[in-house]
Amino acid sequence: KAGVTQTPRYLIKTRGQQVTLSCSPISGHRSVSWYQQTPGQGLQFLFEYFSETQRNKGNFPGRFSGRQFSNSRSEMNVSTLELGDSALYLCASSSSTGSNEKLFFGSGTQLSVL
Amino acid sequence: AQSVTQLDSQVPVFEEAPVELRCNYSSSVSVYLFWYVQYPNQGLQLLLKYLSGSTLVKGINGFEAEFNKSQTSFHLRKPSVHISDTAEYFCAVRRETSGSRLTFGEGTQLTVNP
Repeated sequence: KAGVTQTPRYLIKTRGQQVTLSCSPISGHRSVSWYQQTPGQGLQFLFEYFSETQRNKGNFPGRFSGRQFSNSRSEMNVSTLELGDSALYLCASSSSTGSNEKLFFGSGTQLSVL
Repeated sequence: AQSVTQLDSQVPVFEEAPVELRCNYSSSVSVYLFWYVQYPNQGLQLLLKYLSGSTLVKGINGFEAEFNKSQTSFHLRKPSVHISDTAEYFCAVRRETSGSRLTFGEGTQLTVNP
């Protein structure tokens, strides 16, 4: 069974640009959540989607958005990039939204904003 | 709101020595507790979790953790570490009603030296 796949693995953008990151969950998983990891702020929750609906949202500005498709694949978009958006973005999937459900993480997309 | 404090940012140990990584949490509601490991250039992998029941939880790779409600702690232990245990370890909590939303600690870098 394939794991959580995130593409691309690395990305370099400049300030002001926008970026779209993709996440394919484990087959059969319907919940996808996103996290930002930086050396200064650590791991922070961005949002969670289940069956194409956003179920939870973290404390990030509106420049960060996401969506989920009918096949459970998810994308997150960051508009008007800032230097501080440089981070490892991790996607995780689970079979449901229960708090005791095991999360499976992808290897992440490393975004560098110049 | 919940918060997690990992008391040591770096823990160097020698191979075959015991190790304890400390984690304290704060929450006004019931939470589930987790330990994750992150190897370089990889995503997070679940080591173990505490949902309810026995306060001593055993996980993968010989790790175990003890939940102490009165001290609001969830320390991770291993009786004998290997070089391959070198990684960053994250303690996390999740509210029973918050779906996949995890609150992470700052992480502890465990370095096992020969």
